[in-house]
Amino acid sequence: QQQVKQSPQSLIVQKGGIPIINCAYENTAFDYFPWYQQFPGKGPALLIAIRPDVSEKKEGRFTISFNKSAKQFSLHIMDSQPGDSATYFCAASKDWTDKLIFGTGTRLQVFP
Amino acid sequence: DAGVTQSPTHLIKTRGQHVTLRCSPISGHKSVSWYQQVLGQGPQFIFQYYEKEERGRGNFPDRFSARQFPNYSSELNVNALLLGDSALYLCASSFGLQETQYFGPGTRLLVL
Repeated sequence: QQQVKQSPQSLIVQKGGIPIINCAYENTAFDYFPWYQQFPGKGPALLIAIRPDVSEKKEGRFTISFNKSAKQFSLHIMDSQPGDSATYFCAASKDWTDKLIFGTGTRLQVFP
Repeated sequence: DAGVTQSPTHLIKTRGQHVTLRCSPISGHKSVSWYQQVLGQGPQFIFQYYEKEERGRGNFPDRFSARQFPNYSSELNVNALLLGDSALYLCASSFGLQETQYFGPGTRLLVL
């Protein structure tokens, strides 16, 4: 019940494409859903986050869609660029504990 | 402002040895969390400290311990190292328990 399942494991798109990464969770107590971007040799960096009271959030070229009834959320990257090539992790946390439960990651490659 | 800093950046140890990893949070942040990231997987929560008290512990053996100092910096200690402890150890800081976590670059530990 603590798991966050992430798919696909890897994704290849051309520049300008819109990669979509999906995550699903089971624990209805989760109330904070961030996405992190990680480049090789670096720590994860927060991209965008959403709480269950909204169904969509946009920040620049990154959009989170959230479906509370299906317990799913996804990341869309608009007009993807080669510099977006990285590993993306979804995560979830509950209550006040702040412990993040991470998905298994999606390796994105954007070709020119 | 400097981000989360961790030391050392890389470390090689042999089985049975002990290791101490260090983390300095972002200035003003009072909460520090530790995560273990095995190659190809998402980070796994180890510990969280807030105001020098342990606020959360993940599913790791007692060989793992941590503490937080009055200046909010933190140490992660691992005793009796096993080959399976080889991983990237990430430290994340936040202002409070319900605030966004910011990750450091990690310490890459290799156990031979």
